[in-house]
Amino acid sequence: DAKTTQPPSMDCAEGRAANLPCNHSTISGNEYVYWYRQIHSQGPQYIIHGLKNNETNEMASLIITEDRKSSTLILPHATLRDTAVYYCIVRANTGNQFYFGTGTSLTVIP
Amino acid sequence: GAVVSQHPSWVICKSGTSVKIECRSLDFQATTMFWYRQFPKQSLMLMATSNEGSKATYEQGVEKDKFLINHASLTLSTLTVTSAHPEDSSFYICSAEKRGNSPLHFGNGTRLTVT
Repeated sequence: DAKTTQPPSMDCAEGRAANLPCNHSTISGNEYVYWYRQIHSQGPQYIIHGLKNNETNEMASLIITEDRKSSTLILPHATLRDTAVYYCIVRANTGNQFYFGTGTSLTVIP
Repeated sequence: GAVVSQHPSWVICKSGTSVKIECRSLDFQATTMFWYRQFPKQSLMLMATSNEGSKATYEQGVEKDKFLINHASLTLSTLTVTSAHPEDSSFYICSAEKRGNSPLHFGNGTRLTVT
């Protein structure tokens, strides 16, 4: 079962940073935090993941608090194509089940 | 890299017939594949976990005799919806995982409509 909570929806102005929060207060020491997004009627797209340290790639940055009980996905310059449902997932090593929560529906406004 | 192909992308079938959905990892060997279903405006619900060469592990409430999963090779898993009924109409999505700690990669889903 999903171990994360996210706000159901958020808006962001085009060109501004989108900061999507996620609470995972019961995360275990060996569990990673993964972020995916799903654009309507498509399969989820991988964005980023991390264990303890902050991570950055070409799509986004992931900030994990020191106690690891929450994290924030940052899209530095949101575009209209970033409108999607964003899912935060915690999961231990390879082979374990991968459960989706309810996600955050992000709308980027022109 | 890490492309997962799902086929067909949509299918319409009559009530009582069976439908097979294929999930292929095109450029990597998938030790584990997962099958999900998604109803409109809802999140993805995990149906089963499939390991190559062994029986699938089904989530609670998912009928294993209705949703047959075969993971015969490291690049192919199939989901067969047997004796489909209108309530089985849904969006079915597969994902595949490489060996080692890496993210899951998802197919683009199959829209099943049972009439």
